[in-house]
Amino acid sequence: EVQMVESGGGLAKPGGSLRLSCTVSGLTFSTYSMNWVRQAPGKGLEWVSSISSKSSYRFYADSVKGRFTISRDNFKSSLSLQMNSLRVEDTAVYYCARAHRDGYSDYWGHGTLVTVSS
Amino acid sequence: QSVLTQPPSVSGAPGQRVTISCAGSRSNIGAGYDVHWYQQLVGTAPKLLVYGDTNRPSGVPDRFFGSKSGTSASLAISGLQAEDEADYYCQSYDSSLSVYVFGTGTKVTVL
Repeated sequence: EVQMVESGGGLAKPGGSLRLSCTVSGLTFSTYSMNWVRQAPGKGLEWVSSISSKSSYRFYADSVKGRFTISRDNFKSSLSLQMNSLRVEDTAVYYCARAHRDGYSDYWGHGTLVTVSS
Repeated sequence: QSVLTQPPSVSGAPGQRVTISCAGSRSNIGAGYDVHWYQQLVGTAPKLLVYGDTNRPSGVPDRFFGSKSGTSASLAISGLQAEDEADYYCQSYDSSLSVYVFGTGTKVTVL
């Protein structure tokens, strides 16, 4: 059974930092690209960032470019998102998801809530 | 401000058929990029419902049917059931933005 478990969410002040993690089991983590997708309270889904299987390529939404950094550790089957210079508008549930090469996400974690507030 | 526009809500009685539209443009759906659909039940993570315009992952009932034409795509749900009450999102790639984009989302209500 595929499991993706996010952690690291919580409360941060504007300008602060948080690091999200996603631990994956039940699939060959090192062969797949991975995504972070977020959902602000009561809002729709927003793609945040993607990383290729060997970390050769990293992509970011314009809204987080220069502030967030995606990384992965294939030995530990884990995905991370370092979030710096946080803004109130970064408040959301953050999901990690496996990225199929055809562009869809077929496995999702349960999400971790990030709240940015003073 | 998503580039894929969906109706905010659709509703239907049990057993009826409802359709959710996903309107795009020549830089995404109209350019031939695949459209994927997700179902999100309240308080849960999104679940892949349709991929590659028309394909269903194993376990997804054939009541869910995806289609695409021109710059738009649609998800039809036939034989509507109470358990289908959820938010639905389309997704595609946009070549102008060079990112994957989600639709605005549609809430399906079973009357």
